[in-house]
Amino acid sequence: DAKTTQPTSMDCAEGRAANLPCNHSTISGNEYVYWYRQIHSQGPQYIIHGLKNNETNEMASLIITEDRKSSTLILPHATLRDTAVYYCIVRVRQAGTALIFGKGTTLSVSS
Amino acid sequence: SAVISQKPSRDICQRGTSLTIQCQVDSQVTMMFWYRQQPGQSLTLIATANQGSEATYESGFVIDKFPISRPNLTFSTLTVSNMSPEDSSIYLCSVIPAGPSYEQYFGPGTRLTVT
Repeated sequence: DAKTTQPTSMDCAEGRAANLPCNHSTISGNEYVYWYRQIHSQGPQYIIHGLKNNETNEMASLIITEDRKSSTLILPHATLRDTAVYYCIVRVRQAGTALIFGKGTTLSVSS
Repeated sequence: SAVISQKPSRDICQRGTSLTIQCQVDSQVTMMFWYRQQPGQSLTLIATANQGSEATYESGFVIDKFPISRPNLTFSTLTVSNMSPEDSSIYLCSVIPAGPSYEQYFGPGTRLTVT
């Protein structure tokens, strides 16, 4: 079973921030939070990951709560091209550990 | 990162036949994986392709149905054997490049339709 819980779907207006929540209440101390997205008919794309500190890169920001039981992926200025399925995955960061996907959140960005 | 190519990109096959999907990476990788994505569903891990030895299969997947080879650090094949319409899916190759990052990257996928 997936170790994360995400809403099935979300809508966002173009240009606004998209905030995608994820619950991972059973996360272990050595597990990282990863976010990937899958645009229709393409392979999943890495977005960002974190352990306990907030992280930011050119694509998104990741906010992890202090107890690490939940996190939020933020796309600061959503565009139509951000329409995709977003997957939140917890994983030990070591060789040999494959990503296990849950159902993800379908984000629809509209103009 | 790693650039991953898969062949074929798509195929339509008749039931009872087999299809071999190739995965080629542009750099050496430590780990290679194969996933299946059935229509409208999330990705499911099929197996870990081990270099020079038998693949490690996840529960529900067997070698006779999905034989896998990995002859070197940059190439792997997945065969879907004795296909039925239920095998219609996207099959994705995924890798973890050599180095300290442990990030996992995905190929573009092979869209298989079985009639």
